[in-house]
Amino acid sequence: DAKTTQPPSMDCAEGRAANLPCNHSTISGNEYVYWYRQIHSQGPQYIIHGLKNNETNEMASLIITEDRKSSTLILPHATLRDTAVYYCIVRAINTGGFKTIFGAGTRLFVKA
Amino acid sequence: NAGVTQTPKFQVLKTGQSMTLQCAQDMNHEYMSWYRQDPGMGLRLIHYSVGAGITDQGEVPNGYNVSRSTTEDFPLRLLSAAPSQTSVYFCASSYGRGSYGYTFGSGTRLTVV
Repeated sequence: DAKTTQPPSMDCAEGRAANLPCNHSTISGNEYVYWYRQIHSQGPQYIIHGLKNNETNEMASLIITEDRKSSTLILPHATLRDTAVYYCIVRAINTGGFKTIFGAGTRLFVKA
Repeated sequence: NAGVTQTPKFQVLKTGQSMTLQCAQDMNHEYMSWYRQDPGMGLRLIHYSVGAGITDQGEVPNGYNVSRSTTEDFPLRLLSAAPSQTSVYFCASSYGRGSYGYTFGSGTRLTVV
């Protein structure tokens, strides 16, 4: 699976949009982009995923560039409870892409 | 309720002891995996399984054994515990086909003294 690069930490003001970038320049055509978050010491939580189109759900939006080499996770109205470590990973599906490697992620601090 | 259940939540072992961390899911997921997370670090893959009877190594498999005799259960065995295995262990599962995300358990906090 391709590797990803994320900034180690970011700050965001409460109520503002949090935009978390991820670089995956070596992504293959059959690899999806997934985002997870981990609040304090809890188990990671799935947020959203996409292949090449932008995606939105009740938690966040995912913007993938046309060349698919980078993506941005958007939390439209960040709250204090969104303070967490956010992981961006890429994974192939249906072709044995189960050896999923997590990087260090981005630690997002939402401030009042 | 549906989800990934890990037991125990906390465990203290003495160096050289063995134990099994339990992981069970009731979502009929084909894929299951074990990760460890050291303080302030990301997740590292230990072992994974794509179905009953099939397992494979991840990034850091040494010192750990797994087996998958049923779809529901994926236990992780520490053969001879070492202080370096002090960590938080997470189990995850997902459907084997499609682009579903992983569901994680709440973790087992293991201390080896």
